[in-house]
Amino acid sequence: DSGVTQTPKHLITATGQRVTLRCSPRSGDLSVYWYQQSLDQGLQFLIQYYNGEERAKGNILERFSAQQFPDLHSELNLSSLELGDSALYFCASSGGQGADTEAFFGQGTRLTVV
Amino acid sequence: GQQVMQIPQYQHVQEGEDFTTYCNSSTTLSNIQWYKQRPGGHPVFLIQLVKSGEVKKQKRLTFQFGEAKKNSSLHITATQTTDVGTYFCAGPFGNEKLTFGTGTRLTIIP
Repeated sequence: DSGVTQTPKHLITATGQRVTLRCSPRSGDLSVYWYQQSLDQGLQFLIQYYNGEERAKGNILERFSAQQFPDLHSELNLSSLELGDSALYFCASSGGQGADTEAFFGQGTRLTVV
Repeated sequence: GQQVMQIPQYQHVQEGEDFTTYCNSSTTLSNIQWYKQRPGGHPVFLIQLVKSGEVKKQKRLTFQFGEAKKNSSLHITATQTTDVGTYFCAGPFGNEKLTFGTGTRLTIIP
């Protein structure tokens, strides 16, 4: 158990809909990362938050947004969903703010858009 | 998005054979990390390398960081069925984001 909790584990929704994925980081970790992993693909960096502030941004679509709340949990919002958004979405947390400390991953949310 | 190539992309080995995956960066890295993702699982941190030329071992796994801190390798000696999975390198490739390599998927033939 990594200590990172993601909910829900599975999500099936229709095209055009909006969903929210939730992540609770490990106790004490200030950084939260979001990654997208399509079928048999690598991990695409979406966005990172550190202590409530956006720290780094990847090629995150404009239809996607995220935030980190004062209690450090984070939410990833995906709107106007398309079939191509179907993927595994991972959240990870770390104690540092840069890419120099190990990241702990949650179990992921498998999103299926139909 | 930015990705770092790892080679090979796939590797099938007979149980007991050795396995090596390579990770290359065009820029000097402050550190490099390695992760393993079992089929159906999530990435799990294995190790971090920081120093030029650093070599670290974990049982049958040997990790190396190049002298120029631009490349790294993971070598597994005498593979076992429990080694199955995808191995990713990760680091601040060209930016400060924790970027993952394309991964090497290892399958073991019993």
